[in-house]
Amino acid sequence: KNEVEQSPQNLTAQEGEFITINCSYSVGISALHWLQQHPGGGIVSLFMLSSGKKKHGRLIATINIQEKHSSLHITASHPRDSAVYICAVRSYGGATNKLIFGTGTLLAVQP
Amino acid sequence: GAGVSQSPSNKVTEKGKDVELRCDPISGHTALYWYRQRLGQGLEFLIYFQGNSAPDKSGLPSDRFSAERTGESVSTLTIQRTQQEDSAVYLCASSPRQRMNTEAFFGQGTRLTVV
Repeated sequence: KNEVEQSPQNLTAQEGEFITINCSYSVGISALHWLQQHPGGGIVSLFMLSSGKKKHGRLIATINIQEKHSSLHITASHPRDSAVYICAVRSYGGATNKLIFGTGTLLAVQP
Repeated sequence: GAGVSQSPSNKVTEKGKDVELRCDPISGHTALYWYRQRLGQGLEFLIYFQGNSAPDKSGLPSDRFSAERTGESVSTLTIQRTQQEDSAVYLCASSPRQRMNTEAFFGQGTRLTVV
């Protein structure tokens, strides 16, 4: 079982829909990242959070430390939101604090 | 530049040849990470540098892989005697410092294809 699990793996939505992507993890963490990867492109960091909720434009990220769960919400989705969304956790302790990645959620927003 | 820069952006090489990938981190960032993403798979940690400390090489998949970084500057990832399974996008990320809640900034990646 992966230490970071995302659902769904694939998601198709119509423009304007409200979208939720979920992330569950099984390790102790110091922070959780939501990343966006466009086809053929690099990775953009959307959020880094360790508690509560953050909002940036149409994007909202929440985390529940007790339940080891985070969600990424996209309101009023648009075709330009089509990308792979990756949840990554920074494991607690150790010398590296390297990121452990989920396998990503491929989102396609249709016009 | 303002971001993490990687070169080349694309590399096609013949099986058995050596390749060198380069990462220029954001100026002043002390932490540098290499990750690999094979087609259809998630990101795998390869190696981590923090300042002048010994690097964490725990993610390197074999002794054909090595990486160097001098101080807080450029890093190179070298793959010797490339194999087809080495085909992947190699991503570099840097962080301002080695602290628990530090954001990582990613480069655009190098897409390596071994034919």
